Amino acid sequence: KAGVTQTPRYLIKTRGQQVTLSCSPISGHRSVSWYQQTPGQGLQFLFEYFSETQRNKGNFPGRFSGRQFSNSRSEMNVSTLELGDSALYLCASSSRGLETQYFGPGTRLLVL
Amino acid sequence: AQSVTQLGSHVSVSEGALVLLRCNYSSSVPPYLFWYVQYPNQGLQLLLKYTSAATLVKGINGFEAEFKKSETSFHLTKPSAHMSDAAEYFCAAGSGNTGKLIFGQGTTLQVKP
Repeated sequence: KAGVTQTPRYLIKTRGQQVTLSCSPISGHRSVSWYQQTPGQGLQFLFEYFSETQRNKGNFPGRFSGRQFSNSRSEMNVSTLELGDSALYLCASSSRGLETQYFGPGTRLLVL
Repeated sequence: AQSVTQLGSHVSVSEGALVLLRCNYSSSVPPYLFWYVQYPNQGLQLLLKYTSAATLVKGINGFEAEFKKSETSFHLTKPSAHMSDAAEYFCAAGSGNTGKLIFGQGTTLQVKP
């Protein structure tokens, strides 16, 4: 099976802009979780989607949002970008959630 | 709230030496526990996971971890380090039935020739 794919791999934006990141899970997986990785805060959970419904949400401001489509592909959106949003954004998929999560290569976002 | 603590942000060993990376979790109910490895500019790769079937869990690349409920620990070990083991290692815990993992801060493993 193909692994988790994320697009784009690298992104440069300026403050105030918005960005959309995409994640395609492993075929058959219905759960997609998103994480933000920064040197200072480490890996932090953003949210999880299961069967098109947000099932869990981390402690991030409302500027961070996501959605999941009927084919389980997921997108996350960050509006009004801030410098502190520069990070590696990882998505992970699993069949139902708490089983093994398989991670994609990540999207590295740089906000200038 | 559940938390995961990895003792030592940097660990340095010689090639061929024992690798020991420490992880403690805080939870009254034993959570699901995982060890992931991250190589530079890559995502996370699962090394092993604790599923409650056995307290000693064997993973890929010769790594294993032992779940000790009395110590709330899940330390990762490998008998003999290889240069290719140099990477960052993350311990993670999950609970309930949702896809939310709580990660430790990570331990960078350096392997010296």
